[in-house]
Amino acid sequence: EIVLTQSPGTLSLSPGERATLSCRASQSVSSSFLAWYQQKPGQAPRFLIYGTSNRATGIPDRFSGSGSGTDFTLTISRLEPEDFAVYYCQQYGSSPWTFGQGTKVEIK
Amino acid sequence: EVQLVESGGGLVQPGGSLRLSCAASGFTFSRSWMSWVRQTSGKGLEWVANIKHDGSEKHYVASVKGRFTISRDNARNSLYLQMDSLRAEDTAVYYCARWYSSGWYGGFDSWGQGTLVTVSS
Repeated sequence: EIVLTQSPGTLSLSPGERATLSCRASQSVSSSFLAWYQQKPGQAPRFLIYGTSNRATGIPDRFSGSGSGTDFTLTISRLEPEDFAVYYCQQYGSSPWTFGQGTKVEIK
Repeated sequence: EVQLVESGGGLVQPGGSLRLSCAASGFTFSRSWMSWVRQTSGKGLEWVANIKHDGSEKHYVASVKGRFTISRDNARNSLYLQMDSLRAEDTAVYYCARWYSSGWYGGFDSWGQGTLVTVSS
C-alpha cells in the first residue's frame, strides 16, 4: 500500500499569501496518478486537481499542482478567504487507492 | 447537475449489518465507475470500494474484503454497499463518489453529502 504523507499538518497564512502544500509518497506513484481535494467543515471533499497538474472543471487558476515520482505539491498562488480549508492528496496508481492525512490551511 | 444522495446510515451493534444506498441523477450513471469513500476523524479519508460501470469489476480495501459488498442497479441509477460483520472501526461518514476519467487520469469529481454509520453496543 502506498502511504501518502502530507506536510505541514497546518499552514497559517494570511489572505493574499502563497500556500505550498507537500504530499510525499512511500513509493513512486505510477504515471503521476495523483489528485488533490479541498474540504471545508461539514462538507464533502471538492475535486481540485487530477493527473498531478490538471485543474478540474471550474477550479480557479490560482490552484496549481506539480511533481512526479514520490514528491508532489499543491500551490495556491494567492489565498482568497474561501481557500481556507483542509486539503488532501490521493493516489490512484496502485490498489488500494489511498489519501494523505490532510493539510489544514488556516487564517493567520 | 450531478447529484448523489446517500441513505441507510445509522447506529448498529458490532457484528451487525447495514445496507447503504446512493441515488444518482444528472449524469449517465451506467457509464461511470462509482466508489464508496469513508471518513473518520482519526484516519481521515479512506477509499473503501469501487465498481465498474457495468458491475463486472469490483475492488475493495483489504480491511473490508469479505465483509462489504458493493453493487449497483443501473436501471434504478443506484449504488449500494452491503456491510456485514461490522466492527467499531467501521464507524465513519460514508460518501458515494463518482470517478471522473480523462484518458488515464481521473479523480472523484462528485460526492454525496455522506451518511453516518456508527458501530457501537
